[in-house]
Amino acid sequence: EAGVAQSPRYKIIEKRQSVAFWCNPISGHATLYWYQQILGQGPKLLIQFQNNGVVDDSQLPKDRFSAERLKGVDSTLKIQPAKLEDSAVYLCASSLAHRPTDTQYFGPGTRLTVL
Amino acid sequence: DQQVKQNSPSLSVQEGRISILNCDYTNSMFDYFLWYKKYPAEGPTFLISISSIKDKNEDGRFTVFLNKSAKHLSLHIVPSQPGDSAVYFCAASNYNNNDMRFGAGTRLTVKP
Repeated sequence: EAGVAQSPRYKIIEKRQSVAFWCNPISGHATLYWYQQILGQGPKLLIQFQNNGVVDDSQLPKDRFSAERLKGVDSTLKIQPAKLEDSAVYLCASSLAHRPTDTQYFGPGTRLTVL
Repeated sequence: DQQVKQNSPSLSVQEGRISILNCDYTNSMFDYFLWYKKYPAEGPTFLISISSIKDKNEDGRFTVFLNKSAKHLSLHIVPSQPGDSAVYFCAASNYNNNDMRFGAGTRLTVKP
């Protein structure tokens, strides 16, 4: 079974530039999550989708971050414009359904460096 | 907000001995707890979980203990193996709100 795919794996940009990350979840998984992991910290949930609807985006900085999951499969996370403090690993995860007991499977992440 | 805390950034143990990783939480609404393991350049992978109605859950070499009154959980690995060397994250959630909160992680090194 293929895992969660993310691209790119690494991205370096200058502050105030825009960047987008892509995630392809495990086939059949209805729930998709985006996390931000700053160096030395645990992953922090940014947004979660159930199919193509947003379940929770309370921790997403909506002035600069946006995410979509068109057709309930792939998802993109965008930052526009980027700030230095956005440097982090962005992790995508998916689960079969929207229950805490449904195991979340993580992709390898995209490491973003903002200069 | 540090609702889940792992106060030991690192732990080193000898192969064959027990590894004990600790985690504390502050939010009494958490009722489901998980441990994830992370190797470099990979995403976290699920290891073991426990519901608040239990105080122990065992899976092979891995056992998680939950002390609700102390808001504390621990992961025991017995016996520890070099392949267990990784960063271990404690996470907590609530059945009514699937907003999982992670600790900062503990880096475990198992020496041969």
